[in-house]
Amino acid sequence: LAKTTQPISMDSYEGQEVNITCSHNNIATNDYITWYQQFPSQGPRFIIQGYKTKVTNEVASLFIPADRKSSTLSLPRVSLSDTAVYYCLVNDNNDMRFGAGTRLTVKP
Amino acid sequence: ETGVTQTPRHLVMGMTNKKSLKCEQHLGHNAMYWYKQSAKKPLELMFVYNFKEQTENNSVPSRFSPECPNSSHLFLHLHTLQPEDSALYLCASSQDTGVDNEQFFGPGTRLTVL
Repeated sequence: LAKTTQPISMDSYEGQEVNITCSHNNIATNDYITWYQQFPSQGPRFIIQGYKTKVTNEVASLFIPADRKSSTLSLPRVSLSDTAVYYCLVNDNNDMRFGAGTRLTVKP
Repeated sequence: ETGVTQTPRHLVMGMTNKKSLKCEQHLGHNAMYWYKQSAKKPLELMFVYNFKEQTENNSVPSRFSPECPNSSHLFLHLHTLQPEDSALYLCASSQDTGVDNEQFFGPGTRLTVL
């Protein structure tokens, strides 16, 4: 399974755009890139998934360059409630392996 | 409301006890999962069930015994656990086990083994 690397923590302020980049140098042809969000004492929640180029939904955007060796989760205009851990996963089936994630702290 | 419920939410047990965790999904999904989340460790996949059949067991010790009587219910039977088994146990479900299937997680059971 491809390993992912992402920053351990990030700080931001309300109203800013936050970009979290994940490296997955060994991504395989069939792998998808999935991002989850987790609040304390809760289960993770799906945010977005993509295979290549750009994917956008009502919550976030996911940018994937042509070589697919990295991906960037973009959260527009974050609020205090976006403070959470964000996980980047690369999976070729539903056997998802979570890394340590990025702890995002949004400050007022 | 994620549509996946877990009971109990908190459990304290001794090493000689036998207890069970219950998960129920109301989403009509065919696949269900058990994960373990320890402090300062990544989320670990334990078991995967698809259409009631176990499709994956990630080298989990036999003191954890899963049971899936139907596609809506998943149990994790616990016996002779160790203190290091204390963790948040999360259940999840998805439509099936395909790569593009979103997993829906329950709130978890916080387990403390004394």
